[in-house]
Amino acid sequence: AQSVTQPDIHITVSEGASLELRCNYSYGATPYLFWYVQSPGQGLQLLLKYFSGDTLVQGIKGFEAEFKRSQSSFNLRKPSVHWSDAAEYFCAVGAGTASKLTFGTGTRLQVTL
Amino acid sequence: DAGITQSPRHKVTETGTPVTLRCHQTENHRYMYWYRQDPGHGLRLIHYSYGVKDTDKGEVSDGYSVSRSKTEDFLLTLESATSSQTSVYFCAISQEVHEQYFGPGTRLTVT
Repeated sequence: AQSVTQPDIHITVSEGASLELRCNYSYGATPYLFWYVQSPGQGLQLLLKYFSGDTLVQGIKGFEAEFKRSQSSFNLRKPSVHWSDAAEYFCAVGAGTASKLTFGTGTRLQVTL
Repeated sequence: DAGITQSPRHKVTETGTPVTLRCHQTENHRYMYWYRQDPGHGLRLIHYSYGVKDTDKGEVSDGYSVSRSKTEDFLLTLESATSSQTSVYFCAISQEVHEQYFGPGTRLTVT
């Protein structure tokens, strides 16, 4: 069975600083990988996804993520964080034929001004 | 945004009472899912559906049942609510390749 680890429960960055959120997955074959963002009291919004091809994928809101097979990682990055990026971020891996996702436990991002 | 609504959005109920949460989609997507979200656990899959009348269990299905009699509706039922089922419940839909879109959530409190 697949699994996802987000090692950082909480991260604080200053506005304008760069951001990297870590995600490690476990799955025997090439996974489908996703990053979602959740603002307080809201549902989850898809930021970006990796299915195949170019290992650097671009998403919405200026985010990008890089798939590294050798490290089983799919880290999320943003060059310059805005205060509105404060939210919880979830990494997810998809596998199998039933279109199911397994989510990490999330990383809460705080942005200081 | 994907056309997904959940009802009710908030509910307080007493231990032992039955509760039904509804997810409605206007996207005609094949797959529908119910998750619960709890601090420190992320999202955990309760049940999912891969078509009308076709459902299967997720990782935390005990105490929950589901039904899907129409493509657009997926119901989650707690037959006899317990305090451990206090949570935020999210519905999601997917057409293919795992890409899921989420509803706004239902906050359920069992007292």
